[in-house]
Amino acid sequence: GNSVTQMEGPVTLSEEAFLTINCTYTATGYPSLFWYVQYPGEGLQLLLKATKADDKGSNKGFEATYRKETTSFHLEKGSVQVSDSAVYFCALSDQGTGRRALTFGSGTRLQVQP
Amino acid sequence: DAGVIQSPRHEVTEMGQEVTLRCKPISGHNSLFWYRQTMMRGLELLIYFNNNVPIDDSGMPEDRFSAKMPNASFSTLKIQPSEPRDSAVYFCASSPAAGDTEAFFGQGTRLTVV
Repeated sequence: GNSVTQMEGPVTLSEEAFLTINCTYTATGYPSLFWYVQYPGEGLQLLLKATKADDKGSNKGFEATYRKETTSFHLEKGSVQVSDSAVYFCALSDQGTGRRALTFGSGTRLQVQP
Repeated sequence: DAGVIQSPRHEVTEMGQEVTLRCKPISGHNSLFWYRQTMMRGLELLIYFNNNVPIDDSGMPEDRFSAKMPNASFSTLKIQPSEPRDSAVYFCASSPAAGDTEAFFGQGTRLTVV
């Protein structure tokens, strides 16, 4: 079956530090990959996505590259801000199986200190 | 579009009572998902609908849970009778018919069963 594994948090960084949150996946078909962000008290919002191997998704300074050879989709940002403090979820949808529902990782809490 | 709308935002009920959560998906989206979020289990898919038809309800915890989608603009998740272990945040999400399977989430309903 499909699964997503994320690094455990919390990740605590100082403002302007470099961020990496690791994500690896297992899928039976040809997944699309997503990063979602959840701010306190809110629902999940799509941050970025990639639909095929070697695609790079980017948004708001965040980037992630779809690496089929390592089955990974690590999230990076060069300089984090306090406002980036949130929980980040890696997810996949396996279009090859026709299953439209997303499979989520367990989430990684990011805390950015001033 | 106002996005996915869930009601109520917060619900506190006594054990044994019936609870109904409501969701209005984004107009034109034909897939709808119900997720449950807890600290212990993270985000779990409960059920999803395609064109108002339940496709996968394998995540519904037990017979106390039921979901309906009588039309394209409305869905309910009912718990009867409720138990304290049902306390969680319940999210509804919808996605378009075509293209990749990005999901748009509502703000969630925080359910507390005492």
